[in-house]
Amino acid sequence: RKEVEQDPGPFNVPEGATVAFNCTYSNSASQSFFWYRQDCRKEPKLLMSVYSSGNEDGRFTAQLNRASQYISLLIRDSKLSDSATYLCAVRMGGTSYGKLTFGQGTILTVHP
Amino acid sequence: NAGVMQNPRHLVRRRGQEARLRCSPMKGHSHVYWYRQLPEEGLKFMVYLQKENIIDESGMPKERFSAEFPKEGPSILRIQQVVRGDSAAYFCASSTNNSPLHFGNGTRLTVT
Repeated sequence: RKEVEQDPGPFNVPEGATVAFNCTYSNSASQSFFWYRQDCRKEPKLLMSVYSSGNEDGRFTAQLNRASQYISLLIRDSKLSDSATYLCAVRMGGTSYGKLTFGQGTILTVHP
Repeated sequence: NAGVMQNPRHLVRRRGQEARLRCSPMKGHSHVYWYRQLPEEGLKFMVYLQKENIIDESGMPKERFSAEFPKEGPSILRIQQVVRGDSAAYFCASSTNNSPLHFGNGTRLTVT
């Protein structure tokens, strides 16, 4: 089983739609969780950290379910500019404290 | 307020040559990470370094690849005797102890 797994998609949605991505992780001792966005042939950029209580940033909501070991990202009122690959990332902790392990990414295409 | 700086942006090498990729972390960041991304694939962790120390190199191929982060100067990822399968985007990231990773623009290595 992969340490971090995502549905690769692609997700094709119309503008204005709500779309949700899930990401599961295998290590129950994982400590920190993040969502990144990557545009074609560019570097990943931090979208948001994911907190235990859930957190919201504008149209984006991230949630963590420790019992089931998954994190989610909800995008409301999708824009064309939201088209990108969304990567979840998990920090396992332990001796390699800083390192993030990434999922393979979920491709989102928002069409007019 | 410079971010993570990587150079060169593009690097072309013939099979058997050496490739040197450089990364200067964000100001105030003492942790550096190297990731590799093959076309249509996710980010694969290679190595995690702090100043003068390799913390985790579990993702580094055992041969031909090495990394360093000297007391002075940028972090270097070195690939000796490159082969076509080394062609990829190599991303460097940096962080403080608890912060998310911030990525550089990447170096796209092409082996001909």
